[in-house]
Amino acid sequence: GENVEQHPSTLSVQEGDSAVIKCTYSDSASNYFPWYKQELGKGPQLIIDIRSNVGEKKDQRIAVTLNKTAKHFSLHITETQPEDSAVYFCAASRAARSGAGSYQLTFGKGTKLSVIP
Amino acid sequence: DTAVSQTPKYLVTQMGNDKSIKCEQNLGHDTMYWYKQDSKKFLKIMFSYNNKELIINETVPNRFSPKSPDKAHLNLHINSLELGDSAVYFCASSQANTGWDTEAFFGQGTRLTVV
Repeated sequence: GENVEQHPSTLSVQEGDSAVIKCTYSDSASNYFPWYKQELGKGPQLIIDIRSNVGEKKDQRIAVTLNKTAKHFSLHITETQPEDSAVYFCAASRAARSGAGSYQLTFGKGTKLSVIP
Repeated sequence: DTAVSQTPKYLVTQMGNDKSIKCEQNLGHDTMYWYKQDSKKFLKIMFSYNNKELIINETVPNRFSPKSPDKAHLNLHINSLELGDSAVYFCASSQANTGWDTEAFFGQGTRLTVV
């Protein structure tokens, strides 16, 4: 099965600096890579995702890059703000099999990001 | 309106009891899931279900069983609760299309404590 490694497990940055979280995956058939943000006491919420036919995607201060050959993908947050403090999860999955209709996300172990004002 | 809602939010129960957690989604999605988050925040898939198939993670004990009365609901039943079942359980849903996956929406979680 798929295995997703995520680093670092904790990350502290000064407000305004950039934060980078890196993940690797093992299953070359994986083709969907979402990133989730989990705030205390809440469920994970998608912040950005990327599919295997794209190398980079950006949404305002958040960007994700994917290197299929090396099987790794990264989350970049620029101009960090205190409200970015949360646990971030990367995940990987493969497309639904024909005839089936479901897929399962394999998550990394999370990165606790602290943005210091 | 909450997209994916779970009840209860907190559940404290004794070992050996049987309990259920309810989940409802109003997004019209065709697939629902249950995930378990342990004390170290590790999120792991337990089940995925749509009207075609139930996929069970092989590490999930058979004391856990999902029940889907209709497309908008996937409840989690747990028999003979054990201390190690204490965790936060998340329900999620997505519209899973053949070929490409789409965003999974998560509920707020149910914190289960077995004493």
